[in-house]
Amino acid sequence: DTEVTQTPKHLVMGMTNKKSLKCEQHMGHRAMYWYKQKAKKPPELMFVYSYEKLSINESVPSRFSPECPNSSLLNLHLHALQPEDSALYLCASSQETSGSYEQYFGPGTRLTVT
Amino acid sequence: QKEVEQDPGPLSVPEGAIVSLNCTYSNSAFQYFMWYRQYSRKGPELLMYTYSSGNKEDGRFTAQVDKSSKYISLFIRDSQPSDSATYLCAMRDNAGNMLTFGGGTRLMVKP
Repeated sequence: DTEVTQTPKHLVMGMTNKKSLKCEQHMGHRAMYWYKQKAKKPPELMFVYSYEKLSINESVPSRFSPECPNSSLLNLHLHALQPEDSALYLCASSQETSGSYEQYFGPGTRLTVT
Repeated sequence: QKEVEQDPGPLSVPEGAIVSLNCTYSNSAFQYFMWYRQYSRKGPELLMYTYSSGNKEDGRFTAQVDKSSKYISLFIRDSQPSDSATYLCAMRDNAGNMLTFGGGTRLMVKP
């Protein structure tokens, strides 16, 4: 089983709202990732967690706040977003952050900021 | 120049055709090469994963890596309308698991 699940599938939020995206995997992977993907563009890395610790933050604005409560779960807390933050947010996981391990993506959350 | 170049297409082929999708790259440190298929408004699905140079076959899909030319290919035999999607190449080095993506090629297979 190589499934990464994400909820919700779709989210519409206003610029003053606070919302969270959730990601879950039960493959025993110790690395988890958040990506942002705009239309007709490849995914852009936002954050990397390794063994539940944040290891990479790709200079993401503080209105995006990641959290890794345990090895299976990854959250992305959203606050005071801008319309240009509307995108497909993808979660991914891999066995480790180094070595020859494949990275598997979830189906994504389509976020619209109004 | 981007690290990984991929023709955006769209590439339109008739059903049953052999499709060739390609990426070129500039970083000779890349060791691991992946092809992802992404349907519209869905997450990328890992299709093929290869290490270093050589070929790998899985059903109708064949991945080729030529490190000397810094060129990778994905061949799809007997293409089907259900293969219509965007195909993303991705690659990384030995040091970590940061993927570098190509821009994606949109493929349309017409019945």
